[in-house]
Amino acid sequence: EDQVTQSPEALRLQEGESSSLNCSYTVSGLRGLFWYRQDPGKGPEFLFTLYSAGEEKEKERLKATLTKKESFLHITAPKPEDSATYLCAVQATGTYKYIFGTGTRLKVLA
Amino acid sequence: DAGVTQSPTHLIKTRGQQVTLRCSPKSGHDTVSWYQQALGQGPQFIFQYYEEEERQRGNFPDRFSGHQFPNYSSELNVNALWLGDSALYLCASSLGVAKNIQYFGAGTRLSVL
Repeated sequence: EDQVTQSPEALRLQEGESSSLNCSYTVSGLRGLFWYRQDPGKGPEFLFTLYSAGEEKEKERLKATLTKKESFLHITAPKPEDSATYLCAVQATGTYKYIFGTGTRLKVLA
Repeated sequence: DAGVTQSPTHLIKTRGQQVTLRCSPKSGHDTVSWYQQALGQGPQFIFQYYEEEERQRGNFPDRFSGHQFPNYSSELNVNALWLGDSALYLCASSLGVAKNIQYFGAGTRLSVL
């Protein structure tokens, strides 16, 4: 069965303290892997999509990487405004649905 | 450029009632997907509509049904509401091609009492 597991469930960082979030996935065939940011009471905001192992994408303080089994979201020198829940989702080949993990709740302290 | 819009923002219903949620996709998008997000969980896929037809369905009972209109907007209907249906309902729009990126609206918070 296709599934996504994210770790850690929650993470507290000091401002400027870099870290990584993990997304492990099991899927019959990967069409795409997606990272979203979700603020409380809001809908997920698209960040990155990765399609093949070895691919990397960057946006400001965020960098997403992909292997055949997992993806990492690296946060460099985070700021308090980076506090949010980060969701990972996969889309399997032959399907249209996204399968989401439960997310990592990130809190960045000033 | 308007993004995905959903209405209403919040809704309170009682058990057994029926509810209709609405979604207008992002400009230029022709595909709408619906997700249910319980508190502290990731979104769960309900179904996707493309060309006014249900293209794929997740593991949800027949109480959940939908519709897509010629202008690509969509409705989600839930009959015989249970307490467990309380959740944030998210609409996502995309282009109908296989490798698509889904863009989400702000959601409708449904509370069933």
